[in-house]
Amino acid sequence: TQLLEQSPQFLSIQEGENLTVYCNSSSVFSSLQWYRQEPGEGPVLLVTVVTGGEVKKLKRLTFQFGDARKDSSLHITAAQPGDTGLYLCAGADYKLSFGAGTTVTVRA
Amino acid sequence: DAGVIQSPRHEVTEMGQEVTLRCKPISGHDYLFWYRQTMMRGLELLIYFNNNVPIDDSGMPEDRFSAKMPNASFSTLKIQPSEPRDSAVYFCASSFGLAGTDTQYFGPGTRLTVL
Repeated sequence: TQLLEQSPQFLSIQEGENLTVYCNSSSVFSSLQWYRQEPGEGPVLLVTVVTGGEVKKLKRLTFQFGDARKDSSLHITAAQPGDTGLYLCAGADYKLSFGAGTTVTVRA
Repeated sequence: DAGVIQSPRHEVTEMGQEVTLRCKPISGHDYLFWYRQTMMRGLELLIYFNNNVPIDDSGMPEDRFSAKMPNASFSTLKIQPSEPRDSAVYFCASSFGLAGTDTQYFGPGTRLTVL
């Protein structure tokens, strides 16, 4: 049983559309991280959120951390084909516990 | 910096054979992690080292798996004997500190296929 549940499992959208990926945890971690993984490569850290209610922006990506620090979301505005990849959330408590991931495909 | 280096990138072997995966962490990083990624189980931590010492191996699936870190610049993950269910992508990652405090940098992975 995974501690972190991600939804949806798959997401396919047209270039220019917006998308949101969700991550829900059954536990409270010290922090929560979001990664993007491209085919044939390892995951790359996008952001770390620590404080309940925190919002972080990274260009067209907006990350939110729920007040109870058990849920998080990743919103991409005006998606581009370069945003295609597997998005993983991970709870951090001296080690990482990953969700199953959301596969995002942005069609040109 | 070259990043985390893993070898081989692809490995195909037959059931019962010994498999050794190799990792060179980023210079100066004190922590090294081995992960396994499969469609069924996702990305899961197998073991991690701090200053070459294994700290948590609770994720190692069974005695057929072993990991060593003889020095700060080299680690191996060995499977003996290998089984088809070991087929997965194995990642090595390194960092200055523990998860959540410092960024973990992942290598490109080794895709293992056991026939």
